[in-house]
Amino acid sequence: EVKLVQSGAEVKKPGESLKISCKGSGYSFTNYWIGWVRQMPGKGLEWMGIIYPGDSDTLYSPSLQGQVTISADKSISTAYLQWSSLKASDTAMYYCARHDGAGKGTFDYWGQGTLVTVSS
Amino acid sequence: SYELTQPPSVSVSPGQTARITCSGDALPKQYAYWYQQRPGQAPVLVIYKDSERPSGIPERFSGSSSGTTITLTISGVQAEDEADYYCQSADSSATYRVFGGGTKLTVL
Repeated sequence: EVKLVQSGAEVKKPGESLKISCKGSGYSFTNYWIGWVRQMPGKGLEWMGIIYPGDSDTLYSPSLQGQVTISADKSISTAYLQWSSLKASDTAMYYCARHDGAGKGTFDYWGQGTLVTVSS
Repeated sequence: SYELTQPPSVSVSPGQTARITCSGDALPKQYAYWYQQRPGQAPVLVIYKDSERPSGIPERFSGSSSGTTITLTISGVQAEDEADYYCQSADSSATYRVFGGGTKLTVL
């Protein structure tokens, strides 16, 4: 069974750094892209970027590039989303999802979401 | 940038057919996908590559494409179908991968 398990909710202050995680299981982690999707409170879904854990090739949304870093550690089947300096506008639910590029061509399995709250 | 346009809301009575549209200039060239998101839950893929249905998704969900518009059709709508629905696709060069703004389906 394919599962993506994300790290728990975070409460941070503006300017702090943060790294959230997404652990995949039940499939070959290195053979599928894995991506991140943002959902700000009461708003829609926003495609952030994807990474191929096999070689760490990464594609970012042009509108978010430079604001976050996506990485992966294939030895522990885990992908990461990190910020070096959080802003209040980063408050959102963040979902990771497996991207079945060669098959369905999109995100087919999703994590449960990580709520990030940035407030002074 | 690139945008996909969806109606904010659609309302239908149980047993009727709901149609949710999504418009974008590159849709004739790029596959589109549909997700269902119930309140407090992660999205679920209901249609991929314009009209394919993943295993486990009821047959009442179908997708179609015509020019710059794609349509998610839910036949015989049930109360459990009440959710937000999002289309997703890319611009012609696949530089921008975006979701539509979402459509709230209300089952009256």
